[in-house]
Amino acid sequence: DADVTQTPRNRITKTGKRIMLECSQTKGHDRMYWYRQDPGLGLRLIYYSFDVKDINKGEISDGYSVSRQAQAKFSLSLESAIPNQTALYFCATSGGGRQHFGDGTRLSIL
Amino acid sequence: QQQVKQSPQSLIVQKGGISIINCAYENTAFDYFPWYQQFPGKGPALLIAIRPDVSEKKEGRFTISFNKSAKQFSLHIMDSQPGDSATYFCAASKGGGGSNYKLTFGKGTLLTVNP
Repeated sequence: DADVTQTPRNRITKTGKRIMLECSQTKGHDRMYWYRQDPGLGLRLIYYSFDVKDINKGEISDGYSVSRQAQAKFSLSLESAIPNQTALYFCATSGGGRQHFGDGTRLSIL
Repeated sequence: QQQVKQSPQSLIVQKGGISIINCAYENTAFDYFPWYQQFPGKGPALLIAIRPDVSEKKEGRFTISFNKSAKQFSLHIMDSQPGDSATYFCAASKGGGGSNYKLTFGKGTLLTVNP
């Protein structure tokens, strides 16, 4: 969905580095989400935000933090990356009866 | 605890055949059941969704069948085409009236349709 933009699309980094994944949306939706996708494990919710002042942990929030800088921007940080955080990360918004996903960030941690 | 169980993990179908993917849920508070389709290099996109007040919903070649008593729902793709080759995720949420605001996803099914 081009209205949800994730940057970078690909990132390779080393263990222990701090990483920030960014998400911006032009849909005007209040609700935003970060998911992680691993082969055979589906999509798992990391954090979600219902508005700028409301941030909630999902099922796998350990090792991650988020920042909702504005209605349109929601960033995911890995404070000290570890190899088992290697995955495909998706940002999404919800509105209009569905969730709208970005095209993902493929993150590899060596 | 996996709240939405999806099967099979992968599925190979010949062009023109019927693809069937099944999901089962445990939480009776769920009241909205969407299916998402994901192509390589893209994010998932909503394909079709159903609420528990109906047992079936059809959109073109795609049909959801819903069995409330068994807590199961399935996606049927009729006349499967190579362009349907993708990963399919079932999901469920609760929120009074079918809110999509917090979805629990199944683990996904990789569908391959051979020409």
